[in-house]
Amino acid sequence: ETGVTQSPTHLIKTRGQQVTLRCSSQSGHNTVSWYQQALGQGPQFIFQYYREEENGRGNFPPRFSGLQFPNYSSELNVNALELDDSALYLCASSLVGRDTGELFFGEGSRLTVL
Amino acid sequence: GDSVTQMEGPVTLSEEAFLTINCTYTATGYPSLFWYVQYPGEGLQLLLKATKADDKGSNKGFEATYRKETTSFHLEKGSVQVSDSAVYFCALRGNTGKLIFGQGTTLQVKP
Repeated sequence: ETGVTQSPTHLIKTRGQQVTLRCSSQSGHNTVSWYQQALGQGPQFIFQYYREEENGRGNFPPRFSGLQFPNYSSELNVNALELDDSALYLCASSLVGRDTGELFFGEGSRLTVL
Repeated sequence: GDSVTQMEGPVTLSEEAFLTINCTYTATGYPSLFWYVQYPGEGLQLLLKATKADDKGSNKGFEATYRKETTSFHLEKGSVQVSDSAVYFCALRGNTGKLIFGQGTTLQVKP
């Protein structure tokens, strides 16, 4: 089975621009969640998608938005980028209904905002 | 709200030393508890987990016991190796399904 893959691995943007990050779930998983990990910090929950709908959101402004597609892949979109958005963005997939719904993480997309 | 607190690092040990990384949590209900590891340049990997009180999770020589009475989930390993050098994150997962992480503890093991 394939693991969680994310793209791009690194990217640089300037303040005010928009960015789209992509994630392919692990095979058979139906839930995707996104986390932001600032340098030296633990990951912070952004939101989660299940069956193409957002079903949980952390303390992030509306300029952070997402999509989940019928094949369970997902996108994270961030508008009007700010310097503090510089971070590693992690995608995790899981299978709802399977014991503890263990999360499997991708290697992340490192975003630098200049 | 739910939260996780883990000991600050960095923790520097010599090879074969005993490791403890403390983790305590605050949560309503009965969360599942996890330890994740992040090697340099890599994503998060699940190291071990425990889903109910008194459960012991173990993997690769690491272990942690879910202590409800002390709301703790301390990570231990009897003899660390240089290859264990990484950042370790304690996390809980409650009723919302989201993972709440501690701030991470950097472990450096010297030969």
